[in-house]
Amino acid sequence: DVVMTQSPLSLPVTLGQPASISCRSSQSLVYSDGNTYLNWFQQRPGQSPRRLIYKVSNRDSGVPDRFSGSGSGTDFTLKISRVEAEDVGVYYCMQSKNWPLTFGGGTKVEIK
Amino acid sequence: EVQLVESGGNLVQPGGSLRLSCAASGFSFSDYWMSWVRQAPGKGLEWLARVKPDGSEKYYVDSVKGRFTISRDNAKNSLYLQMNSLRAEDTAVYYCASGLGGYWGQGTLVTVSS
Repeated sequence: DVVMTQSPLSLPVTLGQPASISCRSSQSLVYSDGNTYLNWFQQRPGQSPRRLIYKVSNRDSGVPDRFSGSGSGTDFTLKISRVEAEDVGVYYCMQSKNWPLTFGGGTKVEIK
Repeated sequence: EVQLVESGGNLVQPGGSLRLSCAASGFSFSDYWMSWVRQAPGKGLEWLARVKPDGSEKYYVDSVKGRFTISRDNAKNSLYLQMNSLRAEDTAVYYCASGLGGYWGQGTLVTVSS
């Protein structure tokens, strides 16, 4: 199985400041079609997960442009350009290249 | 508006069975792969099973293989998860999700305890 490793585990951020979450996969997430199958999810307290980013850098509909994804191969990053109060929650990376689909352990974003 | 509504969660004894349902609306259900994902209390996410749009292919994570069965009824826009031989470690909120997580339901809680 592909192991997804996120860091940091916890990320205290000041409102209006940037935040960055790292995700590393145990093998390349580049599929034979040339696409890289790395996704990011947000889970606000008490809510269901919500996908923010698919295939490394594509924002889902309705996702604010302060969220951006980047990376290649096995190393990926989710950035929030200016953290807002509504961004508090746990963020998960997930690979969808191979079955079983696997998530990182999560990064908890909180306001300082 | 896309809606996924899970139901069927309950308290069940170890070794027991439960069937979860997910009612879909607001999108062309029969065109999408559908999945079940769970989250144990205070823990992360685990993608359990997925089924092809026509139901012809199904995939399971090792932790539920042979015990859980995913199925769908496209005429009813519904997804199901039959869970047998339940264990304490199956206690979790169970979500249905479309595609590769584009849409999620609100989840239904399954508690396995004597």
